This record gives sequence, structure tokens and C-alpha cells, in this order.
Amino acid sequence: DTGVSQDPRHKITKRGQNVTFRCDPISEHNRLYWYRQTLGQGPEFLTYFQNEAQLEKSRLLSDRFSAERPKGSFSTLEIQRTEQGDSAMYLCASSPGLEFYEQYFGPGTRLTVT
Amino acid sequence: GQQVMQIPQYQHVQEGEDFTTYCNSSTTLSNIQWYKQRPGGHPVFLIQLVKSGEVKKQKRLTFQFGEAKKNSSLHITATQTTDVGTYFCAGRDNAGNMLTFGGGTRLMVKP
Repeated sequence: DTGVSQDPRHKITKRGQNVTFRCDPISEHNRLYWYRQTLGQGPEFLTYFQNEAQLEKSRLLSDRFSAERPKGSFSTLEIQRTEQGDSAMYLCASSPGLEFYEQYFGPGTRLTVT
Repeated sequence: GQQVMQIPQYQHVQEGEDFTTYCNSSTTLSNIQWYKQRPGGHPVFLIQLVKSGEVKKQKRLTFQFGEAKKNSSLHITATQTTDVGTYFCAGRDNAGNMLTFGGGTRLMVKP
């Protein structure tokens, strides 16, 4: 068990460009979550998957954001036409699949939009 | 939507002093979790509370869940420099499967 991994760890992009992040959860964890965290704030829920199905998506999530988990293993989060306000730490977490289980967070991808 | 508030936002203590952070939800929670995030790190799970009035202890840390399941607290006795970090509560309401995190309390310990 190597924990949750995320790639890349840092991404600097110019406004208007598209970016894609990858998350590899702990193996056999059914649930995978994406959060966004800005400096001095708590993680903000974006979306989550149960296996390959995307079951919930934050109402705050712009249409420029899309996430996939095609085979129920790793997941990708894509942001299209990035804006400076998208600059944040993007955290991925996984859990065994039951609502009362803890979430294991990855190290995050820090996105800077210039 | 559900809102989770934490106070204080920051707390400076002298090593050996006690520390408490409070968490309040706008809605009744099915359960609440606490996480710790060290500077430059990611949130790490500490504990989960499920029952009304529940109290759990982990060494110097005491966690409480309110009777109405709308508030919670974390108390650290005799803080140490290793306690430095931001403590987040995260609540799950009865309707959803998502966790709503509070804004966190950043603890700084002066040796």
C-alpha cells in the first residue's frame, strides 16, 4: 500500500490553457474524491466517484471542470480555459467505500495560473 | 447548503498550555471527522464521531460531539511543538455523501 499519489505535484500554466491532473487512489478503494484548497481555507468538495460512476458534483463546480475515472482505478481532473481564480491546491482522497470510513488524502497538485 | 464554521482561526500557545478548537454546523450531522494538516502537508485523519454526546480520547487529544450533533470540539492537553498544524473538522449531513470541511484552526506552539 503506497498511499494516494497525485501527478504532477506542481503545475504552472498560462491563463486560457487546459490542464489535467491525475490521481491514483489506494488500491481497492472504491471511492475517490476531488477537493480544492486555497491558502488558509479548508478543502472544498468538488466531486466524487464510486468505482467508475461519478455520483456527486459540487454546484460550485464550473462547466470548465470535468473529472473521469474510466476503469474505477485512477482518476483525472481536467480544467479547461484556466483562469487565475483556479490557482489552488487540488487534493485527491480515497476511501474504502462506506460513508463512515476516513478519507486518505494524496499530496495534492498545486496549480498556479499566470 | 451545509456550512461548517470553526473558531478560532488561529491560536498561539506556549508549549505546555492547553488548546481547544470549536466546530459548528448549520445542519444536523450524521457524523463528524477531524483531520490535521501539517504546514506544507495534506490532511491526515485523526478520528470520527458518530453518536450524540460521544467523547473519544487519543492520548492528549479529546474529541467531543454535541448532543444535538451540530457541534464538536477538539481539546489538546499540554501542547507540544509536534502539535503544530491546522486542525479541520469535517461534517457529513444526513442527506449527502460528501464531507464539508470547516475553515480550520491553525495552532502555533512556542517552545
